[in-house]
Amino acid sequence: DAGVIQSPRHEVTEMGQEVTLRCKPISGHNSLFWYRQTMMRGLELLIYFNNNVPIDDSGMPEDRFSAKMPNASFSTLKIQPSEPRDSAVYFCASSFDWRGGMEQYFGPGTRLTVT
Amino acid sequence: DAKTTQPTSMDCAEGRAANLPCNHSTISGNEYVYWYRQIHSQGPQYIIHGLKNNETNEMASLIITEDRKSSTLILPHATLRDTAVYYCIVRGGDDKIIFGKGTRLHILP
Repeated sequence: DAGVIQSPRHEVTEMGQEVTLRCKPISGHNSLFWYRQTMMRGLELLIYFNNNVPIDDSGMPEDRFSAKMPNASFSTLKIQPSEPRDSAVYFCASSFDWRGGMEQYFGPGTRLTVT
Repeated sequence: DAKTTQPTSMDCAEGRAANLPCNHSTISGNEYVYWYRQIHSQGPQYIIHGLKNNETNEMASLIITEDRKSSTLILPHATLRDTAVYYCIVRGGDDKIIFGKGTRLHILP
């Protein structure tokens, strides 16, 4: 199994530009999670889906952030417009189920730099 | 907020067992104890989880006290590749996984 796939691995953009991060979960997994990691705030859960439906988006920092999961094998996290404080590593993870007792498998992350 | 308390950092000699403690004194009956680790510049990696009984897999062992208020992750024969930040997480039912600061484990050659 290829594991969770994220693209791009690195993204450098200017403030105000739109950024789209992509994730392909492990085949057969029903739940998908987006996290953000910074030195200051550590690893934070932004949003998660179950069967392509958003379950909890309370971690999304602002309206500038949006996430979609149009099908079971693809999800996007979009930032529009981007700001320097959005610079972070963004991880996608998937699991069979979002409930307790189910481990999550993380992708390699996308390192976003907004200048 | 994270429901666990871990030491900020620990050292362990290569080849020895690494014992990483975690306190979770407010754990409730339906909450699992999870351990993940994050090697530098990589995504977090699931290690093991348990509810009440001790658990063992190919990576590690998890020892949970009888009152479930604390646990210990054991890496039986630590190698340099085990140098990472180790996160102890308590989660149950519909809860979200909340990562704390974890323990930075240094394996010394």
